[in-house]
Amino acid sequence: KAGVTQTPRYLIKTRGQQVTLSCSPISGHRSVSWYQQTPGQGLQFLFEYFSETQRNKGNFPGRFSGRQFSNSRSEMNVSTLELGDSALYLCASSLDTVSGANVLTFGAGSRLTVL
Amino acid sequence: EDQVTQSPEALRLQEGESSSLNCSYTVSGLRGLFWYRQDPGKGPEFLFTLYSAGEEKEKERLKATLTKKESFLHITAPKPEDSATYLCAGASGYSTLTFGKGTMLLVSP
Repeated sequence: KAGVTQTPRYLIKTRGQQVTLSCSPISGHRSVSWYQQTPGQGLQFLFEYFSETQRNKGNFPGRFSGRQFSNSRSEMNVSTLELGDSALYLCASSLDTVSGANVLTFGAGSRLTVL
Repeated sequence: EDQVTQSPEALRLQEGESSSLNCSYTVSGLRGLFWYRQDPGKGPEFLFTLYSAGEEKEKERLKATLTKKESFLHITAPKPEDSATYLCAGASGYSTLTFGKGTMLLVSP
C-alpha cells in the first residue's frame, strides 16, 4: 500500500517568489491536512481539506493557500515568499471518522529553503 | 489557546535504562491525545491515540498513559533503534492537531 507522496522533496526559492507543493494521499483517504515544521515553532497546523472543501484553517497569513481535487490529491501554495517561510511542509492524509480524531499518516515532507 | 508542552527537550539514555517522557496539554474539546515518532528526514510516524483519562496503550517497549492534564510515554529497556524525536499532539478537530515541540531521545549502546 503506497504511503503519502509529496513532491518536490526539496526546493530553493528566493524572496518574493511563489511555490506550489503537491500531495497524493493514501488511496481511499479523503481528508488531507498540511503542517509546517520549523526548529523554533515545531509542527503547526496550516489547513485541512475534505471532499474538496477546506474544513479547518490554522493561524497563518493569507499568502498560504491550498486546494483539494476530486481525486483527493491536494496542493498548497505560498505566495510572496519570505525568509521565515523556510520550513519542512508536511502533508498528512486520513480516513475520516464520524467521531473522535483522525489518525494522520504523514508524508516525508517538502523541504523549502527561501533565500 | 490550545497548548502542548513536552519535557525534557532532549534525553540521553544508556541501552536498557528505562525512562518517561512527559506531555502536558491544554486543548479545548480534546478529541484525542496522539504520540508520534519522527526520524531525521522523515515525516512523523503514528504510535498511539488515547481518548480518555486512565487509558493506557502499549507497543513493544513503549507504553502511553493519559490523565486529565498530562500524558506520559514510558520507554522500558530502550534499544539504540528507539532513538528518535517523540512528538505529542492534542486533537481539537478531526485532523487539527496541536503539537508539542518534541523530546529528542538518544539511546547509546
